[in-house]
Amino acid sequence: EVQLVESGGGLVQPGGSLRLSCAASGFTFSSYAMTWVRQAPGKGLEWVSAISYSGGSIHYANSVKGRFTISRDNAKNTLYLQMNSLRAEDTALYFCAKDRQAGGYYYMDVWGKGTTVTVSS
Amino acid sequence: DIQMTQSPSSVSASVGDRVTITCRASQGISSYLAWYQQKPGKAPKLLIYAASSFQSGVTSRFSGSGSGTDFTLTISSLQPEDFATYYCQQANSFPLTFGGGTKVEIK
Repeated sequence: EVQLVESGGGLVQPGGSLRLSCAASGFTFSSYAMTWVRQAPGKGLEWVSAISYSGGSIHYANSVKGRFTISRDNAKNTLYLQMNSLRAEDTALYFCAKDRQAGGYYYMDVWGKGTTVTVSS
Repeated sequence: DIQMTQSPSSVSASVGDRVTITCRASQGISSYLAWYQQKPGKAPKLLIYAASSFQSGVTSRFSGSGSGTDFTLTISSLQPEDFATYYCQQANSFPLTFGGGTKVEIK
């Protein structure tokens, strides 16, 4: 079964840091681009960041550029999101998602259940 | 950045109704568009990709059309399990962007 399981969320003070992880199983992780998407409470979906299958191509939303870093370890089948200088507006449920097709078309066909990040003093 | 505008933001409909949701891109995105369904407390589910291609396992009640800047998602005969929020997403260029969502509610 193809599965993504996020972890690492929690309560952090403004200015703090967190590292999210997404453990993948059931597919050849190293062949697929991966994406982070977030959803603030009661709000819509917001794309955060994406990384190609090899890690050689990385993209960020303007709202997180310079503060968040996406990475992957294909040997460990794990995707990461390092979040620094966190702000209240980063409070959200963070999903990781798998690209539908090897080749990086960025249609997301498998999603994790999400991990919650709360930024508050 | 490409802005994605969905309309309506919400729609009330009855079981058996035909429902159409539109998504407009602020610039041309060819057919690089996906539609997702999200139910409360759940992750989004991919319904349609490349504007009109069916994702495996998705009922044929859902169909997508359009290219360039204007796209539609149609639910041919609304079923109880279809009450949810629907999002479009452009995959033409980074940053990827989602529409604001359309909530399909029970009339």
